[in-house]
Amino acid sequence: GAGVSQTPSNKVTEKGKYVELRCDPISGHTALYWYRQSLGQGPEFLIYFQGTGAADDSGLPNDRFFAVRPEGSVSTLKIQRTERGDSAVYLCASSLRPTGGNAEAFFGQGTRLTVV
Amino acid sequence: DQQVKQNSPSLSVQEGRISILNCDYTNSMFDYFLWYKKYPAEGPTFLISISSIKDKNEDGRFTVFLNKSAKHLSLHIVPSQPGDSAVYFCAASGGATNKLIFGTGTLLAVQP
Repeated sequence: GAGVSQTPSNKVTEKGKYVELRCDPISGHTALYWYRQSLGQGPEFLIYFQGTGAADDSGLPNDRFFAVRPEGSVSTLKIQRTERGDSAVYLCASSLRPTGGNAEAFFGQGTRLTVV
Repeated sequence: DQQVKQNSPSLSVQEGRISILNCDYTNSMFDYFLWYKKYPAEGPTFLISISSIKDKNEDGRFTVFLNKSAKHLSLHIVPSQPGDSAVYFCAASGGATNKLIFGTGTLLAVQP
């Protein structure tokens, strides 16, 4: 399809393990965002890529979280030494230009991460 | 510090009537506002937006109103339909940031 695609849709992992979450943005969208949504909350910003570079990573909660976008398209969010508090829905979004430029972001369906 | 607030966690409306969802913000640097709709197990879907240079934007059954002096915006849905039942998120961006700041959402239930 032509939308933002995230894989896997669900991931269950044990505490302390490493996980990778993948995002395929809409073709041609230069801006890519990762958000995290906990139950009863709105999406919370994690990191923003413009092209290949992380233009704003101020939302990453700690150094266990890292994201890459090596070719300016697909992005991977990596979480090391997962903790139960990392359990949430991780949302990826892309936009034609940065949302600060009055552009709407289009979201994927999310990856539900459960750390047991 | 919640910069975007949706103070009503839920709203119930009869089919055919008007739904009004409210959102308040605190950061005067915000200059672009969006509404997203979210069904369970799906990602948020863009609904409608408004720039701070306008006070109203209309798209079919959906109208967003912006009151900059009160730092308040609202989404009007008329007439409401059962398929509109979802969680609605208000979001804002602007200033030196390119990220969207979301409210906590309002669950709208349209009763047939």
